[in-house]
Amino acid sequence: QVQLQESGPGLVKPSQTLSLTCTVSGGSISSGSYYWSWIRQPAGKGLEWIGRIYTSGSTNYNPSLKSRVTISVDTSKNQFSLKLSSVTAADTAVYYCARGPVAAAAFDYWGQGTLVTVSS
Amino acid sequence: EIVLTQSPGTLSLSPGERATLSCRASQSVSSSYLAWYQQKPGQAPRLLIYGASSRATGIPDRFSGSGSGTDFTLTISRLEPEDFAVYYCQQYGSSPSMYTFGQGTKLEIK
Repeated sequence: QVQLQESGPGLVKPSQTLSLTCTVSGGSISSGSYYWSWIRQPAGKGLEWIGRIYTSGSTNYNPSLKSRVTISVDTSKNQFSLKLSSVTAADTAVYYCARGPVAAAAFDYWGQGTLVTVSS
Repeated sequence: EIVLTQSPGTLSLSPGERATLSCRASQSVSSSYLAWYQQKPGQAPRLLIYGASSRATGIPDRFSGSGSGTDFTLTISRLEPEDFAVYYCQQYGSSPSMYTFGQGTKLEIK
């Protein structure tokens, strides 16, 4: 059974960089059949896709966040990571990592989510 | 960017009734790239339907998806108590390559 687990600081100061890591277990992140994405959800609001990475390192980002986002992969650790720079209170949200089958354009496995609060 | 609009915002029904949730896209979406999710409070979303009409692994057959072009529907044939949750549609577009979600429909017990 594939499992994804987010980790990282729960509190980030304004203007700093938010950094999260997603550890994948029960399957290899190097499988060529999946994209690996970050998605966020402010409290009481809907879902926003942030970006994705393929095992090759190829990335796609949400245009609204592209200038501030970097997603990377570490296949040796079976992890992928998110960096979001110059954060403001508007970036406060639950952040999810998720797996997306290349053939399905959907997200079949999700992490439990981690709350990141931007506050001084 | 394709915008997905879900209706109604809130749907109040009783267990045993049929639920019909709508997702309308601002431009045509490939049926292969339309999905539905269920989210309960404090939990991550759960994939229900992908490719507009294919049920994900382990999803009961009371959940069905249909539609094409700009209009898609999620139907729950007979509501069980555990079905009351928020439902999101999601699409993937290739220009630019990105995913977008609808704003959600809350299905509540009447």
